[in-house]
Formats: sequence, C-alpha cells, structure tokens
Amino acid sequence: KNQVEQSPQSLIILEGKNCTLQCNYTVSPFSNLRWYKQDTGRGPVSLTIMTFSENTKSNGRYTATLDADTKQSSLHITASQLSDSASYICVVSAKNNTGKLIFGQGTTLQVKP
Amino acid sequence: DTAVSQTPKYLVTQMGNDKSIKCEQNLGHDTMYWYKQDSKKFLKIMFSYNNKELIINETVPNRFSPKSPDKAHLNLHINSLELGDSAVYFCASSQVRTSGNGEQYFGPGTRLTVT
Repeated sequence: KNQVEQSPQSLIILEGKNCTLQCNYTVSPFSNLRWYKQDTGRGPVSLTIMTFSENTKSNGRYTATLDADTKQSSLHITASQLSDSASYICVVSAKNNTGKLIFGQGTTLQVKP
Repeated sequence: DTAVSQTPKYLVTQMGNDKSIKCEQNLGHDTMYWYKQDSKKFLKIMFSYNNKELIINETVPNRFSPKSPDKAHLNLHINSLELGDSAVYFCASSQVRTSGNGEQYFGPGTRLTVT
C-alpha cells in the first residue's frame, strides 16, 4: 500500500534555531517527492520537488534531501523565523499520468520568540 | 490575480441540505482536483478531472458529485449533507499531460460546517 509517514508529529523550536523534519514513504513506482508548507487557514504551497535522480534541493532557508534507496526524505529549516510556524507536508507522486499525490499527515512546527 | 480560487470560503449549513462549492483556475492547467482535509489535517484526494474528463474517483459517497463545465472550472456538489462532511475542502490544479512534475497549485480552501 502506498503510504507516506512523517515525524515528528509536532515540533516547537526557538526563533533562530535550525530543525529537521523527516519523511518515509513506500510509494512505488516512485516519480517525485514534494514538500509543502501549509499556513493555518490556507492551502498548501510547494517548497521543493525532487525526482529520483535528485538528492538535495534548496529553496531559501529550506533544504530538502532525498534518499531514493532507503525511501527517506528530510526537510531542514535554517535560522527559523516566526513565519515558519506552519504544517509541513511530505507528498509523494507515483509514476502514472493522473497526477495523484499521496500525502503524509504533516509535521506542525511552532517557532517561538 | 488569484491562481486558484474557491467560493465560498466558509459554509455553514444544516444536515440534509444540498450545497455546492465552486473552483476556478486561471493558470491554463489541464487537470483539477478536489481534496478533503479532515480534523486530523490529512489531505485526501476525492476527484480529479483532466480536460473535463473524470480520471480519479476515490471512494467517496455518491452524495458528492463533481462537475466540470470547462477545464478552468471544477465544482463540487454535495447532496444530503451529514455531520461527517464537516471539513476543509481544497481545490487544486496542475498541468499533468505535458509537464514533467505536474506541480499542483491549491486554492485557499472552503471550510464546511454541518450542524
């Protein structure tokens, strides 16, 4: 069964600190992996997309890594800001032409001053 | 200009009523989706249309019926609303057929509360 699991479920850090969120997946055949940020009361917004051949991708203070062999990904946030408080969702796409995505349950990050 | 828009943003209604949520995208994408996000924050695909053709239809009660009058619009009609239908519904769009990664763009969501 295609699944995406994230850890931790929630995380509280102080402003300026770094943090790393984890994602494990069992989706096959794998097409790509995305990290989305969802602010409270808003729709998810894409941060990064990685295909099988990519093992790291950055978007500002966000850096995602992918190990396709172990089927693991991480999202590292550097020098956190209050505006980073949100849910971060790992999403995996299987190889097909329907565009169907499999979502993780998300990690809720709270950045405190 | 808003890329993916939904109306209404909030919808409060009573059990048994019929309601519709509208979605429009101005990105020129060929595929549109409806997702349901429950209280546990899990996003689950409900339907997907590609050029007005239904291509994903997950296990959803027959009370939910998507309608795509053209490829820029995908509306969701819900009959005989139940308490369990209370959730946030997100519309999304992507370019699947010709784009390598099919990036999905989400609307702001419609919070449905059934009383």
